[in-house]
Amino acid sequence: DIQMTQSPSSVSASVGDRVTITCRASQGISSWLAWYQQKPGKAPKFLLFAAPNLQTWAPSRFSGSGSGTEFTLTISSLQPGDFATYYCQQANSFPLTFGGGTKVEIK
Amino acid sequence: EVQLVESGGGLVQPGGSLKLSCAASGFMFSSYEMNWVRQAPGKGLEWVSYISSSGSPIYYADSVKVRFTISRDNAKNSLYLQMNSLRPEDTAVYYCARSSGSYWGYFDYWGQGILVTVSS
Repeated sequence: DIQMTQSPSSVSASVGDRVTITCRASQGISSWLAWYQQKPGKAPKFLLFAAPNLQTWAPSRFSGSGSGTEFTLTISSLQPGDFATYYCQQANSFPLTFGGGTKVEIK
Repeated sequence: EVQLVESGGGLVQPGGSLKLSCAASGFMFSSYEMNWVRQAPGKGLEWVSYISSSGSPIYYADSVKVRFTISRDNAKNSLYLQMNSLRPEDTAVYYCARSSGSYWGYFDYWGQGILVTVSS
């Protein structure tokens, strides 16, 4: 199975800050990676896939990059609605696996 | 508008069974692969099972293999998860999630989730 490791597990940041989350795969997954945003008590929302492909609902301050085993999600200027937990997920092979999540909290 | 609505959750004793349902609307259900994903209280996301649009192939996480069975009824626009031999560690919110039309491995729409509690 492919293990997905996210770092940091949590980050405290202020509105306007730039935040970067890293996701590492235990083996190469090409660009088969997705990111999800989850707010407390809500279902996850599909944020972006295959590194740079942002979903239509997501603001352009979100961006993704990477391929192979290392990926990043960047929020260029944190907004109040961005405080949430973010998960990466590999879509290269079954079993599909998620990272442990990164909680973005208000400083 | 795509909607996925789970039902059938609740409290069950260890060793018991439960069947979850997911009612889909707002898209051509028979054309999409579907999944179950769960989240234990305060924990991260865990993919549980996948079913293709036609019903085969099917895949399971090792943690539920043999005990859980995924199925679908395209005529009823419904997805199911039969859960047998339930364990306390199966306690979680269970989400029905649609695979993206562009690629089977991404989940582009999720239901609101249904809580399953396994406890005596």
